[in-house]
Amino acid sequence: EAGVTQFPSHSVIEKGQTVTLRCDPISGHDNLYWYRRVMGKEIKFLLHFVKESKQDESGMPNNRFLAERTGGTYSTLKVQPAELEDSGVYFCASSQDMTFGYTFGSGTRLTVV
Amino acid sequence: AQSVTQLGSHVSVSEGALVLLRCNYSSSVPPYLFWYVQYPNQGLQLLLKYTSAATLVKGINGFEAEFKKSETSFHLTKPSAHMSDAAEYFCAVSDTGNQFYFGTGTSLTVIP
Repeated sequence: EAGVTQFPSHSVIEKGQTVTLRCDPISGHDNLYWYRRVMGKEIKFLLHFVKESKQDESGMPNNRFLAERTGGTYSTLKVQPAELEDSGVYFCASSQDMTFGYTFGSGTRLTVV
Repeated sequence: AQSVTQLGSHVSVSEGALVLLRCNYSSSVPPYLFWYVQYPNQGLQLLLKYTSAATLVKGINGFEAEFKKSETSFHLTKPSAHMSDAAEYFCAVSDTGNQFYFGTGTSLTVIP
């Protein structure tokens, strides 16, 4: 089966610009998660979708971040406007049943300059 | 509140030596515990998980971890390191399974 796909793999943008990250989960996985790792720090939870609904968005840093999941399939994470502290690696993961753990994508490395 | 502490951000071992990566957690309820590995330019790959069954958990690539409730630990071990084990390793804890709390990661270097 295909894994979790994220693109772009790298993005370099200027402060104040907008960036949209995309995640395609494993087909049939209702649960989709976004995480972020700022350099040298731990990987932190951003939000969790069940199908198209936001189950938990307690980790979203502020209202410059907007996540959507169209029709319960792929998800996008938009940062607008981007700030320097938004730089990091953004991971997407999906699961059907948490007892099996998540399957992670390769991540999108975002650099804001 | 849940948290994970991984002691040692960088660990170096000789090829063939024992690998020991430490993880201590805090959780108010019986947790689910996971180890993930990230190879260069790849995503996080599940190594093994503890979900309240056997306390000694065997994973892929010869790794195993033991859940010790009294010590709130879930250390990762492998008897003999291979060059291909060089990667970054992450311990994670969850009580619901829907939000994971990760440690800061341990980068493993294997010296030939």
